[in-house]
Amino acid sequence: EVQMVESGGGLVKPGGSLRLSCAVSGFTFSSYSMNWVRQAPGKGPELVASISSQSGYIKYVDSVKGRFTISRDNANNTLFLEMNNLTVDDTGIYYCARETAFTGTDSWGQGTLVTVSS
Amino acid sequence: EIVLTQSPATLPLSPGERATLSCRASQSVSGYLAWYQQVPGRPPRLLIYDTSYRATGVPVRFRGSGSGTDFTLTISSLEPEDFAIYYCQQRANWPQTFGGGTRVEL
Repeated sequence: EVQMVESGGGLVKPGGSLRLSCAVSGFTFSSYSMNWVRQAPGKGPELVASISSQSGYIKYVDSVKGRFTISRDNANNTLFLEMNNLTVDDTGIYYCARETAFTGTDSWGQGTLVTVSS
Repeated sequence: EIVLTQSPATLPLSPGERATLSCRASQSVSGYLAWYQQVPGRPPRLLIYDTSYRATGVPVRFRGSGSGTDFTLTISSLEPEDFAIYYCQQRANWPQTFGGGTRVEL
């Protein structure tokens, strides 16, 4: 069974930092591209960052470029998102999600809540 | 980026009725259009990918159709567990984008 468990969310002040983790099991992590997708309260999901299976391809949405860093540890089946200089607009649930060439974004974790507030 | 506009925002229906949800893209997505179902407090669940292919385990009452910029998700006969929010998503261009959602409610 595919499982993805996010952690690392919490309450942080504007300008602060957080590091999210996503522990994966049930599939060959090193064979898949992965995404971080966030969802602000009452809004639709928003793709934040993507990383290819061997980290050769990394992309960010414009609103997080220069502030967020996506990375992965294939030996330990873990995906990361380093978030710096956080703003209130970064508030939301952050999901890790598996990406396949055939079906697209087909599996999601349960999410971790990030709240940026003074 | 490609903007996806979903309509209606809210769709009040009863169990057993047919639901028709619309998603319009700001430019062609070449068929790379997916539909997700989200129940409050849960992550999105993939229903349909590439316009019309049902994901594993998705009941046949869910049908996707469309082409170019106009797409439709049809639920032939609503079951109680189908009352949820539905999002369309395109993966034709970076970044993948999602629509604003349609809430199917009682």
